[in-house]
Amino acid sequence: DAGVTQSPTHLIKTRGQQVTLRCSPKSGHDTVSWYQQALGQGPQFIFQYYEEEERQRGNFPDRFSGHQFPNYSSELNVNALWLGDSALYLCASSAARAPYEQYFGPGTRLTVT
Amino acid sequence: AQSVTQPDIHITVSEGASLELRCNYSYGATPYLFWYVQSPGQGLQLLLKYFSGDTLVQGIKGFEAEFKRSQSSFNLRKPSVHWSDAAEYFCAVGARVDYKLSFGAGTTVTVRA
Repeated sequence: DAGVTQSPTHLIKTRGQQVTLRCSPKSGHDTVSWYQQALGQGPQFIFQYYEEEERQRGNFPDRFSGHQFPNYSSELNVNALWLGDSALYLCASSAARAPYEQYFGPGTRLTVT
Repeated sequence: AQSVTQPDIHITVSEGASLELRCNYSYGATPYLFWYVQSPGQGLQLLLKYFSGDTLVQGIKGFEAEFKRSQSSFNLRKPSVHWSDAAEYFCAVGARVDYKLSFGAGTTVTVRA
């Protein structure tokens, strides 16, 4: 049973560029959440997708956007990258009947130079 | 304001000794409560969760946690630590009125031989 997978593992971008991160949920899960974890801090909620719609959003600017596909996989897009966007981006999946029981992927390490 | 506090930034414990990690929360009603573990460069692994019922919950890897409503706490314990328990531990809370998890800043556990 495959768990949550994310790609790529690492990414280096320049300020002002755009980036797309990808996530495939655990088998049987239909809900995907994205979190940003800055160095030395706990994860911060970005948003959650369910039924291909953004169901809830955290305190992140509109530069952060997402998408969920019919197969439940998801993308996180960040436009106009800042140095402060450097972080580990974590994807978590859950089932609609248990949205809090979230299982995390290994993350994508984004470095903005 | 809602918050999750892990008072201990770093704990060092000898192998075979007991471990207790503290977590306090400030929410209007009893939230859902979780403990996650993160090894270096890895994603988060769910150790245990509390939704309702018995206030002492058992998790994986020999961990347990106790919910104390009067103290707004959900402390994690392990009777005898192994070198492989060295990691970052995060307490997380779900507010029952939305879908996100809010995380504490984490506690780093170092295990000495």
